[in-house]
Amino acid sequence: DTEVTQTPKHLVMGMTNKKSLKCEQHMGHRAMYWYKQKAKKPPELMFVYSYEKLSINESVPSRFSPECPNSSLLNLHLHALQPEDSALYLCASSPTGEGAKNIQYFGAGTRLSVL
Amino acid sequence: GEDVEQSLFLSVREGDSSVINCTYTDSSSTYLYWYKQEPGAGLQLLTYIFSNMDMKQDQRLTVLLNKKDKHLSLRIADTQTGDSAIYFCAETVNYGQNFVFGPGTRLSVLP
Repeated sequence: DTEVTQTPKHLVMGMTNKKSLKCEQHMGHRAMYWYKQKAKKPPELMFVYSYEKLSINESVPSRFSPECPNSSLLNLHLHALQPEDSALYLCASSPTGEGAKNIQYFGAGTRLSVL
Repeated sequence: GEDVEQSLFLSVREGDSSVINCTYTDSSSTYLYWYKQEPGAGLQLLTYIFSNMDMKQDQRLTVLLNKKDKHLSLRIADTQTGDSAIYFCAETVNYGQNFVFGPGTRLSVLP
């Protein structure tokens, strides 16, 4: 099983709303990632969690707040977003956060539209 | 800098071979990867190659690595319409913590 499950698949929110994106994996992976992907662009790394601790924050605005409640779950809390934050948000996991064979397995993504 | 480059578009006839090229920058990258993304979907790992290998074959897929020139290619034999997608090459940097993706090559397969 190499499945990473993301919910919801689609989300429409206003600029004053608070919402959360969820990601779950049961592969025993200890590293989890959030990426943002704009149309016709490659994914851009936002956050990395390694052993449930935030290890990389790629200068992401504070209106995005990640949370890793346990080794299987990763959340991304959204507040006061801007229309330019509309994108596909991808979650990924890998066996470890460091080392050579860092194969990342991706979820199907949440397509977010900010009105 | 960390720039991975790919040509943006490739169009082939069904049944022909497709070759997608990529150049990467980090000579310490130990593994290099190819991912496929279909419209509206996430990224699917296709294959990867260890940096001390020159070639890896997996069914219709052949990966060639020229480490001296930092050049990676993905060959798809007998290309089918279901192969139409965007293909991303990726390298690991920062001792394997970060992936850096190329811009993606949009493969169109014509009947």
